[in-house]
Amino acid sequence: NAGVTQTPKFQVLKTGQSMTLQCAQDMNHEYMSWYRQDPGMGLRLIHYSVGAGITDQGEVPNGYNVSRSTTEDFPLRLLSAAPSQTSVYFCASSEGASGNTIYFGEGSWLTVV
Amino acid sequence: GENVEQHPSTLSVQEGDSAVIKCTYSDSASNYFPWYKQELGKRPQLIIDIRSNVGEKKDQRIAVTLNKTAKHFSLHITETQPEDSAVYFCAASIWGNQFYFGTGTSLTVIP
Repeated sequence: NAGVTQTPKFQVLKTGQSMTLQCAQDMNHEYMSWYRQDPGMGLRLIHYSVGAGITDQGEVPNGYNVSRSTTEDFPLRLLSAAPSQTSVYFCASSEGASGNTIYFGEGSWLTVV
Repeated sequence: GENVEQHPSTLSVQEGDSAVIKCTYSDSASNYFPWYKQELGKRPQLIIDIRSNVGEKKDQRIAVTLNKTAKHFSLHITETQPEDSAVYFCAASIWGNQFYFGTGTSLTVIP
């Protein structure tokens, strides 16, 4: 199993550009989520999904869209990139039931200039 | 929503000493509490977890305690080694669907 795979690993965007961070998992996990990590602020939940066709907002959803058309894939879209979205992004997945931990992808380093 | 607070933000200990990191949570419905270790430039990795029906769990040099009444849980690392140096995150989850993380503790073990 590859686990949780994220692409790209590094990306530089100009303000106003849009892009999609890809996330795929091969563990048949129902639950998938996106976090951003900023210095001193830990991991903050952007969006999550409890199954194909179902998504919901987390703590910091503004400026981001997600979709979940299949169990395996959960892309994160930045609609119009802003410097405040410079961050490290982690995709994660889990079986979703109580007591099941989440597994993180390797992270995507995004810089918006 | 859930609010998780983590202290201290930085911690330095001498090799061989113990390290303790504390977290508090606000939502009494939270029932799963994992701890993650993150090395520089890497993804967070699970090191230990505890469920709300257990008060303490130990795995070699690492232990976690949970006080549901006071809504706090702690990570204990004994006989610290330089390779324990990393950032540690606590988290609280309700039924495994949403995870709320603390802001992290940067642990430095001085040889």
